[in-house]
This record gives sequence, C-alpha cells and structure tokens, in this order.
Amino acid sequence: TQLLEQSPQFLSIQEGENLTVYCNSSSVFSSLQWYRQEPGEGPVLLVTVVTGGEVKKLKRLTFQFGDARKDSSLHITAAQPGDTGLYLCAGVSSASKIIFGSGTRLSIRP
Amino acid sequence: NAGVTQTPKFQVLKTGQSMTLQCAQDMNHNSMYWYRQDPGMGLRLIYYSASEGTTDKGEVPNGYNVSRLNKREFSLRLESAAPSQTSVYFCASSEGGGGQPQHFGDGTRLSIL
Repeated sequence: TQLLEQSPQFLSIQEGENLTVYCNSSSVFSSLQWYRQEPGEGPVLLVTVVTGGEVKKLKRLTFQFGDARKDSSLHITAAQPGDTGLYLCAGVSSASKIIFGSGTRLSIRP
Repeated sequence: NAGVTQTPKFQVLKTGQSMTLQCAQDMNHNSMYWYRQDPGMGLRLIYYSASEGTTDKGEVPNGYNVSRLNKREFSLRLESAAPSQTSVYFCASSEGGGGQPQHFGDGTRLSIL
C-alpha cells in the first residue's frame, strides 16, 4: 500500500515568517498534486508537478518535486493570514491512482 | 460556475437509517469520485466512476453503494448507517482518470447518532 506522509501535521506561525511543509513516500509517483482546503469547503488544486526536480512557483508559494519523484515540498515566503488552511499533497501512482496525504494544517497569526 | 454541487450540506441520522448523498457536476467530466475525510486521515476513496456506466470500489467501500445515474450525477447511498460512518463526504470529478486533477464539491457533513 502506497502511503504519503505529510509533516508537520500542524503549524502555527506569525505573519511574515517563512515556512516549509513536506510530503514524503517510499514509493515513486508519476506526478504529485498540491491542494489547499479552507474550512467548510472542498480542496482546491494549487499545482501539479510532473518531472523529478521540477520547481513551480505560484506567487509566494514554491513547490518542488524530489529528484526521485518520491517526495515534495511546499515553501511559503512571507506568510499571510490568507494562507491559512489545510494543505494536502496527492501522489499519482504508475497505475494512475491518486493517493492523498493526511495534510498539514497551517495557521498564520496576524 | 457551479462546478461540483453536493446535497445536502448537513445531515444527522440515527443508527440504521438510510440515506443518499447527491452529487452533480456541470463540467462535462468523465470521472467522478466519492471520498470521506476524517481528522488526521486525509481523504480516503470510497468509490469512483471512471466513465458513465462504470463504478469501482476504492479504499473503503464497505457499507456504501453508488450509482452513476448519468454523466453529470453520481450518488452515494448508506443503506444502514453506523456511527463509524460519521464523517465529511466529498464528491469530486475530473476530465478523465489517470490521475488528472480533481474538482471537489463543498462536502456533506454527516453525523450518525
């Protein structure tokens, strides 16, 4: 069974600080997706990374796919209260199945 | 744009009661999914439908049934609700299978007493 572990599980930081959250597995994925979920809503896709070593930027968010395509990270620069939410990574297996991690709950204090 | 619409948004049931969760998408997507989300456990796939007329079991199908009524609609039925089925249920759709990005509804919060 493929598993995706996300760390930390919870993170609370001050506005303006930088942070990194991680998504790790022992399995290789053909691609990896990052979603953000706000309270009372469904997850919304932020980005998909496909190539090992790929880096994608979305304003203050930087996503990286590991060289071996087993892990990924999300770095937020100068966090804002609007970044608060649950961040989910989802790996796509070679059999085209999507597996979700358990998420990192991020809280940004004004 | 409506996207993926789920009804109802909230429901409280007694153990043993049955109910159907409704989901409809207006994006002409081929694939649809039902997940449950529990604290600390992320999203777990209950059933999915790769295309109209087909359904397949996911990771946690026991106690549930599904119907792909047409291309737009995919319903989830609990025949005899149990407290362990208390959860938030999400419907999602994607243009195709193969791990394509999914579009989610806002969820149904279900409590079984």
